[in-house]
Amino acid sequence: GESVGLHLPTLSVQEGDNSIINCAYSNSASDYFIWYKQESGKGPQFIIDIRSNMDKRQGQRVTVLLNKTVKHLSLQIAATQPGDSAVYFCAENPPGSARQLTFGSGTQLTVLP
Amino acid sequence: DTEVTQTPKHLVMGMTNKKSLKCEQHMGHRAMYWYKQKAKKPPELMFVYSYEKLSINESVPSRFSPECPNSSLLNLHLHALQPEDSALYLCASSQSSQTGFTDTQYFGPGTRLTVL
Repeated sequence: GESVGLHLPTLSVQEGDNSIINCAYSNSASDYFIWYKQESGKGPQFIIDIRSNMDKRQGQRVTVLLNKTVKHLSLQIAATQPGDSAVYFCAENPPGSARQLTFGSGTQLTVLP
Repeated sequence: DTEVTQTPKHLVMGMTNKKSLKCEQHMGHRAMYWYKQKAKKPPELMFVYSYEKLSINESVPSRFSPECPNSSLLNLHLHALQPEDSALYLCASSQSSQTGFTDTQYFGPGTRLTVL
């Protein structure tokens, strides 16, 4: 089975609110994690990544948190906008699988006006 | 610039046809990937090329034949496909640095393939 999964398949938030998308992973030795955004009819777009030697990384309006104790990854989007509506995938790089990413099942984020 | 381009955007083919999907990147990346994505599912890895050599084949049927003519181009040749092969085919590339760290993969827009 998949080693990376998401807690919620769908998430609806009000425009302007903060969004939190969660992801669980099973391989405690994974050393790299990445979030992608995929809009309908498009390819996955890189959002942010984090290596296992970090707990937190911030980008423009996005923050990724890594909790290695409970093998949990989250993506926080500040001041969510309609353009943020998409499917969000987390992925991990397990050890011994050079350049291979294991993707989670995805969360559909819908931003309500 | 993190652009990966793919052609064509859409492709409809019969089960006896031969067609090719093309992918191009000019970021100097030395690893290139083919993924298959079914509706409402995550991408599934098919092939990985590293320095123009096939390094990973995820037990893909032989009716899919990848080719890497040079460091910027990646092709996927299709022959005798089945209707269940209909999907979005994604190309990605990464730097393939020698540091031992995993590099960020950047995806193209995909080719929407329909097999009749």
